Amino acid sequence: EIVLTQSPGTLSLSPGERATLSCRASQSISNSYLAWYLQKPGQAPRLLIYDASSRATGIPDRFSGSGSGTDFSLTISRLEPGDFAVYYCQQYGSSPITFGQGTRLAIK
Amino acid sequence: QVQLVESGGGVVQPGGSLRLSCVASGFTFSNYGMHWVRQAPGKGLEWVAYIRYDGGKKDYADSVKGRFTISRDNSKNTLYLQMNSLRTDDTALYYCSKKVGIIDAIDIWGQGTLVTVSS
Repeated sequence: EIVLTQSPGTLSLSPGERATLSCRASQSISNSYLAWYLQKPGQAPRLLIYDASSRATGIPDRFSGSGSGTDFSLTISRLEPGDFAVYYCQQYGSSPITFGQGTRLAIK
Repeated sequence: QVQLVESGGGVVQPGGSLRLSCVASGFTFSNYGMHWVRQAPGKGLEWVAYIRYDGGKKDYADSVKGRFTISRDNSKNTLYLQMNSLRTDDTALYYCSKKVGIIDAIDIWGQGTLVTVSS
């Protein structure tokens, strides 16, 4: 099983700032099959990025994903109030599918 | 619009059973693989099970293998999760979800149905 470790656990920033979230895998993820999700309180997760760097439908270009192998990152270029939530990475390159433990993006 | 609506959650005693259902609308259900993902209260996301678009392939997390069964009825646009031998650590919000085409990223999620296992 591929274990995903997200860092930091909590990131405190202000609107307008740039955020970089990290997701590290215990072994290489085939085909860069890594996704990022945002989850707001009381809501289902929302797909942001798939295949490490492809934006999902309707996701603004403020969100970008990068990485390969075992190291991946999600960058939000200019934080807006609605971006403050929990972010999860997910690998689907091998079974079982696994998620990271989440990074909480909090308003500073 | 594209929608997934789960039902069937509730309170059950340890060792009991529940059957979750998920009705899909707004897309051609029979063309897509589907997942169940759960989230324990205040915790992160855990993948539970997957079924291919035609029901011909199924996969399970080790934590539920042998106890849970995923199935689908494409004529009814419905996904199921039969849960037997429930344990207290199965308590969670269970999400029905749709995969993105041929890859297992998830682009559509239901609102979830809460399963509570408690004596």
